[in-house]
Amino acid sequence: EAGVAQSPRYKIIEKRQSVAFWCNPISGHATLYWYQQILGQGPKLLIQFQNNGVVDDSQLPKDRFSAERLKGVDSTLKIQPAKLEDSAVYLCASSLQVDMIRSYEQYFGPGTRLTVT
Amino acid sequence: AQSVSQHNHHVILSEAASLELGCNYSYGGTVNLFWYVQYPGQHLQLLLKYFSGDPLVKGIKGFEAEFIKSKFSFNLRKPSVQWSDTAEYFCAVHSGGGADGLTFGKGTHLIIQP
Repeated sequence: EAGVAQSPRYKIIEKRQSVAFWCNPISGHATLYWYQQILGQGPKLLIQFQNNGVVDDSQLPKDRFSAERLKGVDSTLKIQPAKLEDSAVYLCASSLQVDMIRSYEQYFGPGTRLTVT
Repeated sequence: AQSVSQHNHHVILSEAASLELGCNYSYGGTVNLFWYVQYPGQHLQLLLKYFSGDPLVKGIKGFEAEFIKSKFSFNLRKPSVQWSDTAEYFCAVHSGGGADGLTFGKGTHLIIQP
């Protein structure tokens, strides 16, 4: 079974530039998450999608971050404009939902390491 | 808001030593608890999980964890560590409800010396 795919793996940009990250979840996984992991900390949830709808985006800095999952499969996370404090690893995860039963086991991708200079 | 505390940020052990990593969470209701591991150069992987039932859960690679509700704890243990256990370990909690994103602790960097 193929895992969660993310690209790019590394990105270096200057502050005030924009950047986009892509995620392809495990086939059949209805739920997709984006996490931000700053060096020395655990991952922090940014946004959760159920199919193509947003379930939770309470911790997403909406003035600069946006995310979409238009067809309920792939997802894109965008930052515009980037700030120095956005330097982090951005993790995508997915989980399977069967009927009304959710599986809370999340499978993580390799992440995208963003450096903002 | 719920929070997760991992008491040890850096742990250094010799091979064959016993391991216990502490994890405490703040949420008082029903919780699902997880330990994830990140080996050098690899992505986060699930080590073990607790949803309900027997509070002593066993995971992969000889790891186990005990859920103690009265102490809001979910400590990770392994009787005899190996050099290959060198990794970052994260405790995480899901508190139920419609949104099921995880709240993670800051992680424990474990180094096993041969």
